[in-house]
Amino acid sequence: QQQVKQSPQSLIVQKGGISIINCAYENTAFDYFPWYQQFPGKGPALLIAIRPDVSEKKEGRFTISFNKSAKQFSLHIMDSQPGDSATYFCAAMSYNFNKFYFGSGTKLNVKP
Amino acid sequence: EPEVTQTPSHQVTQMGQEVILRCVPISNHLYFYWYRQILGQKVEFLVSFYNNEISEKSEIFDDQFSVERPDGSNFTLKIRSTKLEDSAMYFCASVRGSTSYEQYFGPGTRLTVT
Repeated sequence: QQQVKQSPQSLIVQKGGISIINCAYENTAFDYFPWYQQFPGKGPALLIAIRPDVSEKKEGRFTISFNKSAKQFSLHIMDSQPGDSATYFCAAMSYNFNKFYFGSGTKLNVKP
Repeated sequence: EPEVTQTPSHQVTQMGQEVILRCVPISNHLYFYWYRQILGQKVEFLVSFYNNEISEKSEIFDDQFSVERPDGSNFTLKIRSTKLEDSAMYFCASVRGSTSYEQYFGPGTRLTVT
């Protein structure tokens, strides 16, 4: 059973546009929801994360929106730049640190 | 800034050989993980480790795999008898724990089994 479902699989956005990636989770015990950015040949890098006690978190051009009742969260990249072109993974973890459940990834291509 | 390091960056081995992938997690971190990623695909959880014990392992992590923290700094993944399908990027990650949830990944080891 896939605990975290991510969409879309790929996304093409024009420079300056907004990129939106969505994730849905199953387990209500999850209480930490990070997003990772991965460039080819590199390890995933933590981009931004949210706990379920808030509905939104913003860091620069990156925003997480969190809907606890719908069990969904999304990453918004404002003013998308070609340098944002990468694969993005959402994830979820419960309080015991035993396992991070990853989404399947979204390959973002920002066209100049 | 502290970072997770991994060695080697690339390992080529023949099918049936044993390999050991090494990781040095961030020094004050308590939770350690191994993941693998086949080229262009999703990040797959292999195992988590805390307090010198495996916390959780996936169905991929069968008897051919083992992990060890032989000293206070290294965290190793051993594959006893490699198969062609073990070819992938292997990432180590660590989390400090307590109120700190941030997971930091190493740069990965590319394992090629021929």
